Amino acid sequence: GENVEQHPSTLSVQEGDSAVIKCTYSDSASNYFPWYKQELGKRPQLIIDIRSNVGEKKDQRIAVTLNKTAKHFSLHITETQPEDSAVYFCAAPYSGGYQKVTFGIGTKLQVIP
Amino acid sequence: GAGVSQSPRYKVAKRGQDVALRCDPISGHVSLFWYQQALGQGPEFLTYFQNEAQLDKSGLPSDRFFAERPEGSVSTLKIQRTQQEDSAVYLCASNPGSSFNQPQHFGDGTRLSIL
Repeated sequence: GENVEQHPSTLSVQEGDSAVIKCTYSDSASNYFPWYKQELGKRPQLIIDIRSNVGEKKDQRIAVTLNKTAKHFSLHITETQPEDSAVYFCAAPYSGGYQKVTFGIGTKLQVIP
Repeated sequence: GAGVSQSPRYKVAKRGQDVALRCDPISGHVSLFWYQQALGQGPEFLTYFQNEAQLDKSGLPSDRFFAERPEGSVSTLKIQRTQQEDSAVYLCASNPGSSFNQPQHFGDGTRLSIL
């Protein structure tokens, strides 16, 4: 099965600075990598995803990069704002043919005003 | 349209009691997942349905856990003879197709506390 490692587990940045969260995965057949944001007491929500046929995807202040050779992908948030404070999870699907998605442990991001 | 709905939002039970958690996925969604999320952790996969078929239940922690989706829409996760270690948030998610390369739509979860 898939093994997903995420780091750092906590991250504090000043408002306006950038934040980077990294994940590695083990199954080379994985080809879809979503990132979810979970605010306290709320449901995880997809913020961006990337498929293996591209190396980078950007959506306003959020970008994701993928290195299939090294089997890692990263979330980049620029010009951070207090409302970016949340827990962020990466995920990778289990490629055994079914949708057993493995999540990272999560990164608690705190943006300091 | 409506998102994924879970009920109850909070459930408190005494150790040894049985509980049932309900998930209403987005209408027409083929795939439905259950996850267990312990405090400060990421969601841990429990089981997966494609329509009414339970295709993967490898994440269920013990035979006290049972899930069903008899008509391919609403799903129920049942935990028998609850233990304190069952305390967690139980998340349900759905997506439209059967491909694993799709975003998941999560419900708000059921926070289960076992006393």
